[in-house]
Amino acid sequence: AQTVTQSQPEMSVQEAETVTLSCTYDTSESDYYLFWYKQPPSRQMILVIRQEAYKQQNATENRFSVNFQKAAKSFSLKISDSQLGDAAMYFCAYRSAKTSYDKVIFGPGTSLSVIP
Amino acid sequence: KAGVTQTPRYLIKTRGQQVTLSCSPISGHRSVSWYQQTPGQGLQFLFEYFSETQRNKGNFPGRFSGRQFSNSRSEMNVSTLELGDSALYLCASSLLFSDNEQFFGPGTRLTVL
Repeated sequence: AQTVTQSQPEMSVQEAETVTLSCTYDTSESDYYLFWYKQPPSRQMILVIRQEAYKQQNATENRFSVNFQKAAKSFSLKISDSQLGDAAMYFCAYRSAKTSYDKVIFGPGTSLSVIP
Repeated sequence: KAGVTQTPRYLIKTRGQQVTLSCSPISGHRSVSWYQQTPGQGLQFLFEYFSETQRNKGNFPGRFSGRQFSNSRSEMNVSTLELGDSALYLCASSLLFSDNEQFFGPGTRLTVL
């Protein structure tokens, strides 16, 4: 069974600085998707960034980028120029690429605080 | 385009009762997944529906059930509520089973007394 681990329950970053959130996963599959979701205090889950395992290029979305290391099964999220609005729970998630399998497996989350 | 909506947003029930939660996906989306979120267990997959058929089910007892209607709206039902069922229940929709992006609703906060 696939598992997702986030070893940092809490992290903090100074406003305008850069922070990296860690995620590792375990799977025997070769084709899958990885995601980072953000859940602010409002509880609305928002997709931050996604990565297809077959793509070697790391995904980037504005201030958010990932470091995808397929062999090491590592998928870290880098937030540059941190803003107060980035404060939230961040969940790393895995989903098989099998077309009839929509189950998403979430990690335990990392609570990010942004210090003004 | 309207996002995923869930009703009700908050619910208080007592042990032994049953509850039905509703989810309306984004227009045109045919896949709906349900998740339970608790402080202790985190986010756990409940089940997923596509075109009125349950395609996947997580490791939850039979008290948890769901269905999807022809308009893709989905409901989940929990019977014989237990204190441990208190949680935030999230619904997510995606366009097709092969789509890889899910859009989440705001959730229903269920409290069981």
